[in-house]
Amino acid sequence: DVKVTQSSRYLVKRTGEKVFLECVQDMDHENMFWYRQDPGLGLRLIYFSYDVKMKEKGDIPEGYSVSREKKERFSLILESASTNQTSMYLCASRAGIGTRSSYEQYFGPGTRLTVT
Amino acid sequence: AQSVTQLDSQVPVFEEAPVELRCNYSSSVSVYLFWYVQYPNQGLQLLLKYLSGSTLVKGINGFEAEFNKSQTSFHLRKPSVHISDTAEYFCAVSGRYQGGKLIFGQGTELSVKP
Repeated sequence: DVKVTQSSRYLVKRTGEKVFLECVQDMDHENMFWYRQDPGLGLRLIYFSYDVKMKEKGDIPEGYSVSREKKERFSLILESASTNQTSMYLCASRAGIGTRSSYEQYFGPGTRLTVT
Repeated sequence: AQSVTQLDSQVPVFEEAPVELRCNYSSSVSVYLFWYVQYPNQGLQLLLKYLSGSTLVKGINGFEAEFNKSQTSFHLRKPSVHISDTAEYFCAVSGRYQGGKLIFGQGTELSVKP
């Protein structure tokens, strides 16, 4: 079974703090994704990565950055947290296109971040 | 570009009744379609997917969905729901040859009452 883990389930940070959200997958997947989930808006893609050290902006990248130094780990960074970044953050991974891909994304349990 | 509209934000239903959660999409290219479920305080889990072939797709927990290309719909159905089906359901679309990025609908909250 694919397992995607996220470093924290709940996190409370102060405005202006630098925040790191970590995601690890154990299935050697090439692709990894960070979403934020807000009521009534569904999931919105922040950043994704097709390979190590490779990243692309999603639909709402402002205020965020990412790092992928190893294949299994994808980090989301809030350089200076703000209250409008209070949200649920979900990480996902997926096998590469044209390989054994089933086109399914596997999700972690989520991190509920509160910025005060 | 693709977009997804889930037509109902909340669907209350009694236990053992049938349910349909509606999803419409728009896309200028061929698509793959997905339904995910999110139980309280958990991540998303795949219910079913349409990639090609038969337009009627069966998934886990007794759910099924039908791909209707002419109506650009992918409605989710279950003939008899249980209390344990109470969750949020997300429809998602991915354009073929577009790197597997998913576009999600806003979600439908299914509430099953005894």
